[in-house]
Amino acid sequence: SQQGEEDPQALSIQEGENATMNCSYKTSINNLQWYRQNSGRGLVHLILIRSNEREKHSGRLRVTLDTSKKSSSLLITASRAADTASYFCAETIETSGSRLTFGEGTQLTVNP
Amino acid sequence: ETGVTQSPTHLIKTRGQQVTLRCSSQSGHNTVSWYQQALGQGPQFIFQYYREEENGRGNFPPRFSGLQFPNYSSELNVNALELDDSALYLCASSLGFTGNTIYFGEGSWLTVV
Repeated sequence: SQQGEEDPQALSIQEGENATMNCSYKTSINNLQWYRQNSGRGLVHLILIRSNEREKHSGRLRVTLDTSKKSSSLLITASRAADTASYFCAETIETSGSRLTFGEGTQLTVNP
Repeated sequence: ETGVTQSPTHLIKTRGQQVTLRCSSQSGHNTVSWYQQALGQGPQFIFQYYREEENGRGNFPPRFSGLQFPNYSSELNVNALELDDSALYLCASSLGFTGNTIYFGEGSWLTVV
């Protein structure tokens, strides 16, 4: 089965609300990276969090990592319609170089 | 703007034909990876190149092949195209073999008819 599995598969919220997406993985990771993808476009890098880190921030984004539970979460605060996109987490492991393993992603819809 | 550029952006091929997709990595990045993303799915790892050598391959048949050039740009070649090869092909680059931020290009949409 896929590693880097996101939950929920789809999320619909109103502008101004917070959105939380979760990600689980199965192996010991080197780092975990979160990406955004607008429909039909490439992946935009959001945040990289290393296995020895527990939390990182970037603007309205906050990523947490719990290696004991093999899970990560992405929080988008004060969401905007422009945040509507698919969000993916993907991990790398030490022995596989820069190979990313993706899940199916979370489709976020922010309604104006 | 990630600095990773791919060409062409869209193309249509006939089943059985061959296709070459190209990628210019971000300046200084010596690792390039290729991914296939079918509609509604997450990207699937095809292979990666580090300093011109293939260094890791996903579950794709040998008709998927690649090259990395001395300037670290890369090509993905797919022979004997099948209808299921229709997908978005994404190139990603990073500095060093492991541990760093991985940047993606906008992708090449391939339709096989």
